Amino acid sequence: AQSVAQPEDQVNVAEGNPLTVKCTYSVSGNPYLFWYVQYPNRGLQFLLKYITGDNLVKGSYGFEAEFNKSQTSFHLKKPSALVSDSALYFCAVRLPMDSSYKLIFGSGTRLLVRP
Amino acid sequence: ETGVTQTPRHLVMGMTNKKSLKCEQHLGHNAMYWYKQSAKKPLELMFVYNFKEQTENNSVPSRFSPECPNSSHLFLHLHTLQPEDSALYLCASSQEAAPEQYFGPGTRLTVT
Repeated sequence: AQSVAQPEDQVNVAEGNPLTVKCTYSVSGNPYLFWYVQYPNRGLQFLLKYITGDNLVKGSYGFEAEFNKSQTSFHLKKPSALVSDSALYFCAVRLPMDSSYKLIFGSGTRLLVRP
Repeated sequence: ETGVTQTPRHLVMGMTNKKSLKCEQHLGHNAMYWYKQSAKKPLELMFVYNFKEQTENNSVPSRFSPECPNSSHLFLHLHTLQPEDSALYLCASSQEAAPEQYFGPGTRLTVT
């Protein structure tokens, strides 16, 4: 079965420190990979995607993610965390040949950046 | 977030009521989606519409009935819901050429 795992329910980091939110996937083929962020009482906001090419992709708000095919991982990173980055982060995959375009989401990781 | 709007933002309904959720996208996309987000569970895809045709129904109970009259509007008709249907219902849209989906702010539904 196709699945996405976010092994950490919560990540705590001090402001100014680097952050990493982990994501691994188990799907057949070469999926498209995404990160979304959700602030309280809001919908999901698209951060970045990996389709093909350079394994390091850059997205909104200074976030980047590194695709590792051998480890089937797509970890989200930021060199210097801000308190305003505190939110719920979701990793997602999509199978390119899936004509329904559906996304398979991980369970989410809550990021807490302390001042 | 103004690219995809959802109304109402909050809804409280009894188990015998009938209500509808509305979603509108202003992005020129051709696919629209309904998701359910419950506490401590991954987002659950409910329905997918592609060019107004339903292409996915993820084993959703018949008390949820989607409607897509055109590529910009999506409805979710609700009737005889159960308390466990209380959740945040998210609408999203996407364009075939670009795989990312754009989400609305959601409707917080409480079934009493």
